Amino acid sequence: ETGVTQTPRHLVMGMTNKKSLKCEQHLGHNAMYWYKQSAKKPLELMFVYSLEERVENNSVPSRFSPECPNSSHLFLHLHTLQPEDSALYLCASSQVYGKNYEQYFGPGTRLTVT
Amino acid sequence: RKEVEQDPGPFNVPEGATVAFNCTYSNSASQSFFWYRQDCRKEPKLLMSVYSSGNEDGRFTAQLNRASQYISLLIRDSKLSDSATYLCVVFGGMDSNYQLIWGAGTKLIIKP
Repeated sequence: ETGVTQTPRHLVMGMTNKKSLKCEQHLGHNAMYWYKQSAKKPLELMFVYSLEERVENNSVPSRFSPECPNSSHLFLHLHTLQPEDSALYLCASSQVYGKNYEQYFGPGTRLTVT
Repeated sequence: RKEVEQDPGPFNVPEGATVAFNCTYSNSASQSFFWYRQDCRKEPKLLMSVYSSGNEDGRFTAQLNRASQYISLLIRDSKLSDSATYLCVVFGGMDSNYQLIWGAGTKLIIKP
């Protein structure tokens, strides 16, 4: 399935590195999301973009920096991460934000911070 | 109290059996409810929405009990391919800043 794609699928980085996660949706949706999924915990919403504007930032540390250049692309820039940031980072999109529309997820980037 | 609470399991169930699990939510003003399925090392995918009157999709039946603030998922004639983690999701509307609130999931293992 190619509705929502994410790259890279796996990433190992040191605490001093800078890297970026990329997400692309081919569904014509207007809302895109970054979630963090840690083992045995609920999905944590990090950022929401609606029509390319950030509408939600759920108290995420500044070492995570999102970018949404257009409605199809979403980035998550990472710098000086901590080991506790190791998790699965999922990108999702939905038709619009603020309604109970289904969210479509990408396969995720499994991040390990050493 | 967690906003959306699920028994983490795992539920170990023989193939062909019926299994049910519940999910409780804390916000009585919640508007919409869903079950997502997540296979091991894969992304979540919508399994079914949960309607007030209850709804069925093949072997799967979802129920909503607003008075007791829980939703349930029943799987009949379980298959090996039903093994996955089932995520309960609640949409609270304005009360939750229009975000989906996710449970941590219930792990289901179907054994041959």
